[in-house]
Amino acid sequence: GAVVSQHPSWVICKSGTSVKIECRSLDFQATTMFWYRQFPKQSLMLMATSNEGSKATYEQGVEKDKFLINHASLTLSTLTVTSAHPEDSSFYICSATPSGGGGGEQYFGPGTRLTVT
Amino acid sequence: QQQVKQSPQSLIVQKGGISIINCAYENTAFDYFPWYQQFPGKGPALLIAIRPDVSEKKEGRFTISFNKSAKQFSLHIMDSQPGDSATYFCAARGNAGNMLTFGGGTRLMVKP
Repeated sequence: GAVVSQHPSWVICKSGTSVKIECRSLDFQATTMFWYRQFPKQSLMLMATSNEGSKATYEQGVEKDKFLINHASLTLSTLTVTSAHPEDSSFYICSATPSGGGGGEQYFGPGTRLTVT
Repeated sequence: QQQVKQSPQSLIVQKGGISIINCAYENTAFDYFPWYQQFPGKGPALLIAIRPDVSEKKEGRFTISFNKSAKQFSLHIMDSQPGDSATYFCAARGNAGNMLTFGGGTRLMVKP
């Protein structure tokens, strides 16, 4: 149980284009999902908290107009990197917390490798 | 400001040995302390977690020791195996929402 999927697993795009990454909780509902960014050999950096049916909460220094987050249902959150540039190349990981109690555990997706050329 | 400090950054252990990774935190409002295991190119996987009302939790070869007064917790991997070679992250969660603060990570290599 508690499986989170991401799509695509890797993507290459040209500078200036937009890329959408999907995060799905497959066997549970998630009121809250999180988006992280991870550079090679570094820890996870929280970008934003995604709440179903409301606006995302962005961490300091994260451009909300560049990283658009939509949490349209209890099982799906999307991250759109708009006008991507090479410096946006990174490993993007989402996580989800099961709704309705429990221990508040966060379950992570497998990540999406974004390369902007 | 890093609120969770993790050490060591890297660790080499012989097969069958004990791997020990330590974390220290500052925020006394943290109420949940998970450990994650991450293999290259993969997302982190929840390994084991503890709450501050317990001093130790064991699951198979993995044990968390928690010292509330010292604001420290550690992961012990008994009988370490080459398949345990991965990056390990400790984390802590505040009581407002489910946001996690991660340590810097420890790259563990278990030599056969």
